[in-house]
Amino acid sequence: TQLLEQSPQFLSIQEGENLTVYCNSSSVFSSLQWYRQEPGEGPVLLVTVVTGGEVKKLKRLTFQFGDARKDSSLHITAAQPGDTGLYLCAGGRNTDKLIFGTGTRLQVFP
Amino acid sequence: DTGVSQNPRHKITKRGQNVTFRCDPISEHNRLYWYRQTLGQGPEFLTYFQNEAQLEKSRLLSDRFSAERPKGSFSTLEIQRTEQGDSAMYLCASSSSQGGGETQYFGPGTRLLVL
Repeated sequence: TQLLEQSPQFLSIQEGENLTVYCNSSSVFSSLQWYRQEPGEGPVLLVTVVTGGEVKKLKRLTFQFGDARKDSSLHITAAQPGDTGLYLCAGGRNTDKLIFGTGTRLQVFP
Repeated sequence: DTGVSQNPRHKITKRGQNVTFRCDPISEHNRLYWYRQTLGQGPEFLTYFQNEAQLEKSRLLSDRFSAERPKGSFSTLEIQRTEQGDSAMYLCASSSSQGGGETQYFGPGTRLLVL
């Protein structure tokens, strides 16, 4: 059973465009983490959000945790080719295992 | 600052052989996790340790899989009698249970190919 659905699955955009990736669940999580993964490498942590309604910014990336702690979004402003990669959301419940989303593969063309 | 390390990075083996992977977590982290990731999918949980105790095992972890963390530091994951379906990226992550400890940090992974 896939508890975390990400959309879109694939995104191909031009440099400079904005985009939003969504991560949705019917379950409540105590935390939500976003990772970026490059081919052949492990996921690299971008951010952890723990409070419902929380918004965190990391340069051009804005992360939001839903009020009910069931969903999250990642917004990238003025995407650059270096943003290319697989974006994964992962829900956690009190330091237990992470439940990963299906992933969003982003390609940013120069 | 050393992150999570995994060895080997790549392993090619023939069906039926045994393989063992090693994970060295971030030194102050007491929790260690193993995940498996197949092509086009997100990682799936296999098992995790708090110190040397194995606290949870996924149903994905058949009896051919065994994981250990004998001294609460590094961990090994062994797959016996490998099958082609075992081909995947095996990821290790670590975290600290202190101060909330939700965030897991991943190693570079070991990519296994079973021929």
